[in-house]
Amino acid sequence: EAGVVQSPRYKIIEKKQPVAFWCNPISGHNTLYWYLQNLGQGPELLIRYENEEAVDDSQLPKDRFSAERLKGVDSTLKIQPAELGDSAVYLCASSFSGTVNTEAFFGQGTRLTVV
Amino acid sequence: QQQVKQSPQSLIVQKGGISIINCAYENTAFDYFPWYQQFPGKGPALLIAIRPDVSEKKEGRFTISFNKSAKQFSLHIMDSQPGDSATYFCAASIGVDKLIFGTGTRLQVFP
Repeated sequence: EAGVVQSPRYKIIEKKQPVAFWCNPISGHNTLYWYLQNLGQGPELLIRYENEEAVDDSQLPKDRFSAERLKGVDSTLKIQPAELGDSAVYLCASSFSGTVNTEAFFGQGTRLTVV
Repeated sequence: QQQVKQSPQSLIVQKGGISIINCAYENTAFDYFPWYQQFPGKGPALLIAIRPDVSEKKEGRFTISFNKSAKQFSLHIMDSQPGDSATYFCAASIGVDKLIFGTGTRLQVFP
């Protein structure tokens, strides 16, 4: 079974340009997360979806970041315009919230470099 | 109260030795404590997790010890191998909804 799939793996853009990341969660997982991981630090939650609904976006900088999860499967995270400080790894994770002992699984991430 | 404090920042262990990484939390509502292993250029991979109804969980060479009263938990890697060299993150959350990660421990295992 395929894990969480993210694309692209790497992205280099100039500041003020837009960028988008895509995530395909594990089949059957209704909960999807976007995390931000700065160099040398642990991941931090940006947004959590339950099916199509964003149930926790309190850490998402809404002036420049947006996300969507149409049809409750794939998700896209967008930054417009990108700033130098946005250089980081953007991780997608998924889980199935229908059981008590659920676990969250991460994709390989998209490494963004803003120059 | 949402922080998870992890130590040490880095750890060097000889092959065959025991690696021990510690974490402490403040929020008593946390009920899920996973450990993730991350290799360079890869996403975090779930290694082992524990819920507060048990004090210890063992999977192969990896053991989580959990002390609810002290609000601490630790990862023990027995018979450490060079292939275990990676960064390890502890985390805590209510369910799995919002994992709060520690700052990571870079483990190096030398032959």
